[in-house]
Amino acid sequence: AQSVTQLDSHVSVSEGTPVLLRCNYSSSYSPSLFWYVQHPNKGLQLLLKYTSAATLVKGINGFEAEFKKSETSFHLTKPSAHMSDAAEYFCVVIRPRSNDYKLSFGAGTTVTVRA
Amino acid sequence: DSGVTQTPKHLITATGQRVTLRCSPRSGDLSVYWYQQSLDQGLQFLIQYYNGEERAKGNILERFSAQQFPDLHSELNLSSLELGDSALYFCASSDGTGGDTEAFFGQGTRLTVV
Repeated sequence: AQSVTQLDSHVSVSEGTPVLLRCNYSSSYSPSLFWYVQHPNKGLQLLLKYTSAATLVKGINGFEAEFKKSETSFHLTKPSAHMSDAAEYFCVVIRPRSNDYKLSFGAGTTVTVRA
Repeated sequence: DSGVTQTPKHLITATGQRVTLRCSPRSGDLSVYWYQQSLDQGLQFLIQYYNGEERAKGNILERFSAQQFPDLHSELNLSSLELGDSALYFCASSDGTGGDTEAFFGQGTRLTVV
């Protein structure tokens, strides 16, 4: 079984300040982990993914995440928030090399960026 | 643009009715997945098809069914609709080689049941 907990339902930051979105996972195997972003009235876009290679993963738009097995965490960060980062972010866990794609989504974190 | 096309974008229908949502996957992708996003349940996996065959099933109601056609497009059929079925329905596709590969999502069909 696998599950994801996003620790913050809403994060508000000022433009130009760091963003931290927290994600903890539970899995009975070594998981693959993803962060997706959903802008208003848009589909889901992959930001980055961890698939058992480097533990620090860099994604699009300046985002990165670090896989910490000891803490079962996969927190998403960005050093300087931009207005266009306002969106909903989902942490996702999946069983790697499986034949299905039952993505387990976290509840989502809504990011608001203040000017 | 993810390359995954969903139609229609919006659908408003009455309780008890039946609707069909359509998904065209990215060119070359063999797997299609359906997800339901609602305010109270979040994003829920419904069902997956791979090259025309059902591969995995999630929290899909018996009133819902899906299929994937030889040209790889997929349809999600929702019948005996209830108010609680109002949600955003996403289709995603991947090359189907396993869980390490990225899934590309369409922009969704927003279903409103009145």
